[in-house]
Amino acid sequence: GQQVMQIPQYQHVQEGEDFTTYCNSSTTLSNIQWYKQRPGGHPVFLIQLVKSGEVKKQKRLTFQFGEAKKNSSLHITATQTTDVGTYFCAPAVGGGSEKLVFGKGTKLTVNP
Amino acid sequence: NAGVMQNPRHLVRRRGQEARLRCSPMKGHSHVYWYRQLPEEGLKFMVYLQKENIIDESGMPKERFSAEFPKEGPSILRIQQVVRGDSAAYFCASSLWTGEGGELFFGEGSRLTVL
Repeated sequence: GQQVMQIPQYQHVQEGEDFTTYCNSSTTLSNIQWYKQRPGGHPVFLIQLVKSGEVKKQKRLTFQFGEAKKNSSLHITATQTTDVGTYFCAPAVGGGSEKLVFGKGTKLTVNP
Repeated sequence: NAGVMQNPRHLVRRRGQEARLRCSPMKGHSHVYWYRQLPEEGLKFMVYLQKENIIDESGMPKERFSAEFPKEGPSILRIQQVVRGDSAAYFCASSLWTGEGGELFFGEGSRLTVL
């Protein structure tokens, strides 16, 4: 089955510091999505990446899809306390499979 | 446009009882997914359904668990003879699949506690 590794599992930063989480796959992905889940909440869609080498930005968040479409990253510049939560990558394998298999997530805590 | 609606939000069952979790997808969405999340863990895929069809149930335990998405009414995840290990948050999500990926809209989850 699809194997995806997300690192780090936990990240604690001081407010204002940058944060990056990585998602690595053993197989080529058709696309990848990122979600954020606040403590006690439900996952919320952030972005979808489809093209090789794609880079997308949402304010302080930068998402990248690797050239080989096997890895992706989410970078947050100058973290704020509102960034607290768990960030999940969810790659789609393609080939007719329409399910999303989520990584284990990176739990981000921000010290004010 | 109402979001994905799940009920009950919280459910307490004793070992051996049945749990039924309901999910109404967003209006116009015909794809429903169920995920299970243990505390401090990720989302584990269980099953993917379209109206009246189970498309992928590779994440569903072979016994005691079943899911359906009838032509009319909500999708239902049914857990028979619950055990303590079934205690978890169960999230439903719906999407408009376009063939190139589709954003999942999640409900707020149903939190099952088995005593």
